Amino acid sequence: SAVISQKPSRDICQRGTSLTIQCQVDSQVTMMFWYRQQPGQSLTLIATANQGSEATYESGFVIDKFPISRPNLTFSTLTVSNMSPEDSSIYLCSVAAGSKTEAFFGQGTRLTVV
Amino acid sequence: KQEVTQIPAALSVPEGENLVLNCSFTDSAIYNLQWFRQDPGKGLTSLLLIQSSQREQTSGRLNASLDKSSGRSTLYIAASQPGDSATYLCAVLSGGSYIPTFGRGTSLIVHP
Repeated sequence: SAVISQKPSRDICQRGTSLTIQCQVDSQVTMMFWYRQQPGQSLTLIATANQGSEATYESGFVIDKFPISRPNLTFSTLTVSNMSPEDSSIYLCSVAAGSKTEAFFGQGTRLTVV
Repeated sequence: KQEVTQIPAALSVPEGENLVLNCSFTDSAIYNLQWFRQDPGKGLTSLLLIQSSQREQTSGRLNASLDKSSGRSTLYIAASQPGDSATYLCAVLSGGSYIPTFGRGTSLIVHP
């Protein structure tokens, strides 16, 4: 299994500012995933973060808005830049671990932009 | 493209009832299927993982079954409790992919 520590757990931010979310995993993993969950919706993948290479972004998400760092095999950050109220969501990091490729999630970051 | 549907979208039951939550998927070439629990504003907690070669998995009062040929999985919750109130999500990992496809979830309320 994998234990993921994600912080902050929640934040209220002013529009136009940026927030960086951190995820720390208790074991080395090749890929980390960042998701967004808008109110009442299911999860939408933002990007896949691999250590030592640029993140791979899904359609509709761009690096300038959601820059990602992956400095080593246990840590990643997602920044939500130049925020607007439409960015209010829960942001989640995830890894796949073990021989069964089981998915594990952090505790989530509940972001409100005012 | 894999699509995952969960029925019902919402469910409200009295304490003590046995429940069945449904998950269906369109492409049967899956690697595994996972059930999660999500409390409001929080992350996802893995409940059960079923590999494609398995028919069911059990953990305490939870039992998940998988029928690949019909593209269905069910999550059975026995003797429901108010603490079971949460959203339950089903996720399917297709063969050859690293990224699971999620359903929209079933929002469960168990009232005393």
